Amino acid sequence: NAGVTQTPKFQVLKTGQSMTLQCAQDMNHNSMYWYRQDPGMGLRLIYYSASEGTTDKGEVPNGYNVSRLNKREFSLRLESAAPSQTSVYFCASSEIGNSGGNGKLFFGSGTQLSVL
Amino acid sequence: GIQVEQSPPDLILQEGANSTLRCNFSDSVNNLQWFHQNPWGQLINLFYIPSGTKQNGRLSATTVATERYSLLYISSSQTTDSGVYFCAVAPPYNFNKFYFGSGTKLNVKP
Repeated sequence: NAGVTQTPKFQVLKTGQSMTLQCAQDMNHNSMYWYRQDPGMGLRLIYYSASEGTTDKGEVPNGYNVSRLNKREFSLRLESAAPSQTSVYFCASSEIGNSGGNGKLFFGSGTQLSVL
Repeated sequence: GIQVEQSPPDLILQEGANSTLRCNFSDSVNNLQWFHQNPWGQLINLFYIPSGTKQNGRLSATTVATERYSLLYISSSQTTDSGVYFCAVAPPYNFNKFYFGSGTKLNVKP
């Protein structure tokens, strides 16, 4: 099992460019998440999706859009990248869905994004 | 949102020593997890522990939900335990909205 797979692993953008980070999970999980991690800090939730076809804002959604393409895939889009979006981005998934329960988070390996 | 505070922020240990990491949170939670981020950046789930005590090898965790804290114990530490340990919590009114602490950075020296 691959678990949670995210691409690309590294990306350098110029200010104003756009890009999409891809994430896929093969654990049949209901919920998927996008987090960002800045140096010396914990992870902050950007957006999450509790089920196919639904998305909700997290703590830091400004400047990002997401798409839950199907149960497996959840993408994060930067429409016009800014230097403040330089960060490491993690995708995660869990069984939680809309009903809660014993949902452990499983993370992808991260994407290091630099915006110049 | 929920405030999550972890202590200590940094910890240096000699191999073989024991340690206790603490996570305090500001509101009721129904989900609490501990993670290890290794030096290569990978996040590994150590425990799902909204209440009670669990053990996994040299690691154990205890959560006292009524007093809003959790402890992670590392015994007989090894150099491979180095990295950053994070606590994450989610409230009962939003199962999916996890809040992370800033982490405890552990360095185990040989």
